[in-house]
Amino acid sequence: AQKVTQAQTEISVVEKEDVTLDCVYETRDTTYYLFWYKQPPSGELVFLIRRNSFDEQNEISGRYSWNFQKSTSSFNFTITASQVVDSAVYFCALSEAKLTGTASKLTFGTGTRLQVTL
Amino acid sequence: EPEVTQTPSHQVTQMGQEVILRCVPISNHLYFYWYRQILGQKVEFLVSFYNNEISEKSEIFDDQFSVERPDGSNFTLKIRSTKLEDSAMYFCASKPGQGSGDTQYFGPGTRLTVL
Repeated sequence: AQKVTQAQTEISVVEKEDVTLDCVYETRDTTYYLFWYKQPPSGELVFLIRRNSFDEQNEISGRYSWNFQKSTSSFNFTITASQVVDSAVYFCALSEAKLTGTASKLTFGTGTRLQVTL
Repeated sequence: EPEVTQTPSHQVTQMGQEVILRCVPISNHLYFYWYRQILGQKVEFLVSFYNNEISEKSEIFDDQFSVERPDGSNFTLKIRSTKLEDSAMYFCASKPGQGSGDTQYFGPGTRLTVL
């Protein structure tokens, strides 16, 4: 069974601080996919990034960066120089790879609420 | 940019009533999903749908729930007899289907309130 753990329930930072959101996952699959979604106060789920289990290269996109470490089953997300607009709930999710049919469901963590203040 | 749309944005119903939540997935996508999020909790998988049939469903998706793709564009979730605990945000998602790791794109959600 798959499981995603986001131990940080809520994080508060002051604008311009860097912040890292932790994600630890469990799966028996050797091939799987990891995702981060952002849920702003308006409620929608916004896709941020997808990584597959064979690609441990870290990724940077503007102020966002992701650190994927298979050895520790972690896929952490760092926001550099945080801004008030980054305030949201961030969800880490896991999807298994299936040999037949690709309707793989997403298993979400419980989310981390990030509050960025001035 | 194509997006998943959902209607209504908010549905209020009485316990025991039937509700139908509607979704229009992205037009060239082949896989469709429903998830729900009880207020303040995590997003939970309900059901996946491909080639006009259910691919997988969770324990939450019992006989009170059904899904349908009545035409080439809509994807619906029906709850036959709503319960108080069905109150939640319901998200529809779709993905292209080129691979199992494809990104699922979510609609804005329908907030269901059961009184």
